[in-house]
Order: sequence, then C-alpha cells, then structure tokens
Amino acid sequence: SQQGEEDPQALSIQEGENATMNCSYKTSINNLQWYRQNSGRGLVHLILIRSNEREKHSGRLRVTLDTSKKSSSLLITASRAADTASYFCATLPMDSNYQLIWGAGTKLIIKP
Amino acid sequence: DGGITQSPKYLFRKEGQNVTLSCEQNLNHDAMYWYRQDPGQGLRLIYYSQIVNDFQKGDIAEGYSVSREKKESFPLTVTSAQKNPTAFYLCASKSGSAVSFSGANVLTFGAGSRLTVL
Repeated sequence: SQQGEEDPQALSIQEGENATMNCSYKTSINNLQWYRQNSGRGLVHLILIRSNEREKHSGRLRVTLDTSKKSSSLLITASRAADTASYFCATLPMDSNYQLIWGAGTKLIIKP
Repeated sequence: DGGITQSPKYLFRKEGQNVTLSCEQNLNHDAMYWYRQDPGQGLRLIYYSQIVNDFQKGDIAEGYSVSREKKESFPLTVTSAQKNPTAFYLCASKSGSAVSFSGANVLTFGAGSRLTVL
C-alpha cells in the first residue's frame, strides 16, 4: 500500500502565486524527501527533511514536517512557469532500511 | 558532466519478446535502482543493487531480471513473463549504502525509458 499520499492531485495557479502541496503518510518515518518530475523526464531531488526537523528552506522552497499529524507540506513561493511539473514525496519508514515509499504526486501547472 | 544515461528513450515490444533497458552512470555511485512508474501512481521498486554481482528484489520483481557486472551499469530485462510491461521505467543511483537515505545520499535519476507493448 502507498505510504505517501499527495494532496491535491492537481493544482493550477497563476504565475507569481504561491503553491502548496501536502503529503500524508501512515507509519513513523526516518526522513521525508521531495522530488520534482518534468513531463516525461526523470525525477530531481529537491529537499530532504529528517524526522527531528520541522522546517527546511531551499531558495523559493519551504518544506514543513509535522510528525504528530504524519504530514508534510511543500510551499513554492512566487511561482514561475518553469515550476510546472509533478511533485512527489517519498518517505523512508522507520522500520525500513532500504526502500523509499512514494506518493502518487501532485501535478502543478503554472499559468503565465 | 556526471549523470545517468538510460536508453532507449522509447521502446516498442511485441508480446512474448524480452527487451533490455540500459542504465549507465558515471557518478561513481555504489547503489543503483530500477523503478517502474505508472500513471497516477507512485514509483515502485523493481530491483536494487549495492555492489557488483549483487542485487536484491524490490516489491515488483516478478517478470524482470537484472545484472550488475560493472559498477557503472545496471541493465534491466523485461521478460515475456511480465504480464503488463507497458510503463515508464526509471533508473536511479546514489552514493553510499543502498540501505541508507540521509543527507547527501539521495537519489539521482536518469531520464527514463518508456516501454510500450504492441
């Protein structure tokens, strides 16, 4: 069964607006990672947040982690057309030592 | 530039045929992985390898085979036993142990290979 579930499945916003995507998971985790995938391409790692961290920043990206709610959010500020992509969260469960569990992704469309 | 090269980008197969997808990396990474991606689903792990001549099954290994004769190369064969092979296949690698994901030890992906069964 899927560990991570992204919400919403699809999101369409105007360029310049902020985009927020959420990821929920079921079991305790070691860390949670966010990846981006442009259409028909491979995934690119964005941010890794450990279970003892609550927030991390990278440029226009901000990731939060709430282990009590078993959820994470990815915020992209001041969105650009180039941010159009699918965004996936991947969790490393605490009881797993090798396998990331992937969500189904959020498809983000930035309208110019 | 370092990276992962997957080939071919597109591949068509007749039912009953085996096909092999190539994955080559020049990142000097020890661990390599094969994932399958279907529309609307998360990535599912097919096989992974930590070192040469060693590999482990993931969640959906049935109908697939791999080899790891060189550190740089991890080809995937989709056999005729795979009942629903049409999918997007992604190869990935990372430094360090295949069983540790922390800090800089995150996945680097190739551009993918799209397999269609006719």
